[in-house]
Amino acid sequence: AQSVSQHNHHVILSEAASLELGCNYSYGGTVNLFWYVQYPGQHLQLLLKYFSGDPLVKGIKGFEAEFIKSKFSFNLRKPSVQWSDTAEYFCAVNGQGGKLIFGQGTELSVKP
Amino acid sequence: GAVVSQHPSRVICKSGTSVKIECRSLDFQATTMFWYRQFPKQSLMLMATSNEGSKATYEQGVEKDKFLINHASLTLSTLTVTSAHPEDSSFYICSARKGGGAYNEQFFGPGTRLTVL
Repeated sequence: AQSVSQHNHHVILSEAASLELGCNYSYGGTVNLFWYVQYPGQHLQLLLKYFSGDPLVKGIKGFEAEFIKSKFSFNLRKPSVQWSDTAEYFCAVNGQGGKLIFGQGTELSVKP
Repeated sequence: GAVVSQHPSRVICKSGTSVKIECRSLDFQATTMFWYRQFPKQSLMLMATSNEGSKATYEQGVEKDKFLINHASLTLSTLTVTSAHPEDSSFYICSARKGGGAYNEQFFGPGTRLTVL
C-alpha cells in the first residue's frame, strides 16, 4: 500500500534557525513527490515537487528538498526560517492514477 | 494563475439534513477534481475522484450514497453530504487538476468547514 510518513508532528524553532522536516514514502512505482504548505487560514500551496532529474529540488520561499531513492525519503530543508514560515507542511506522493497521498503533516511554529 | 474556489467556506447544519459544497476552477478547465477530508491535526484523506461527465471514483471505505459527487461541467464539481450526522463534521477540501495528464499539478480550494449539530 502506498503511504507517506512525516516524522515530526510539531516543530518549534527560533527565527534564523535551520529547518529540516522528514518525509518517507512507501510506493513501488515511479514516484512524483511534493511538499505543500498550508498557512493559517489559507489553502494548500505547492512549495516544490520532484518528478525526475536532479534529486535536489528548489522551491519557492527558499525551500529545497532532496530525493534519496535508497532511503525512500524526500526531506524538506530551509537554511534560515522566518516567522512567516509558521504553517502546516505536508509531504505527498503521486499514487496510482495521479492521486495524491499525503503524510500526516508537520506543524511548524517559528518564534520571532 | 490557477485558482480554485469553494462555497460555502463554513456551514452549520442540523443532523439529518443534506449539505452541498461547490468546488470551482475559476481560470482553467478541470476534467478531474478531487475531494479530500481533513480532521483536526491530521492529514488530508482522499475521499473520491470526480471526473467530468462520468461517475466519481470513491476510495475504499467512503460511502458513495452518503457523499454524492457531481461533476457536471469542466469548472464545477459538487459534494453533497446526505443525511449529515455529527461524525461528518470535518474540513472538506477540493482540488482541481490542470490539464489532462494524470500527474499534472493539482490546485487546492480553501476548504469548507462543516459542523453538524
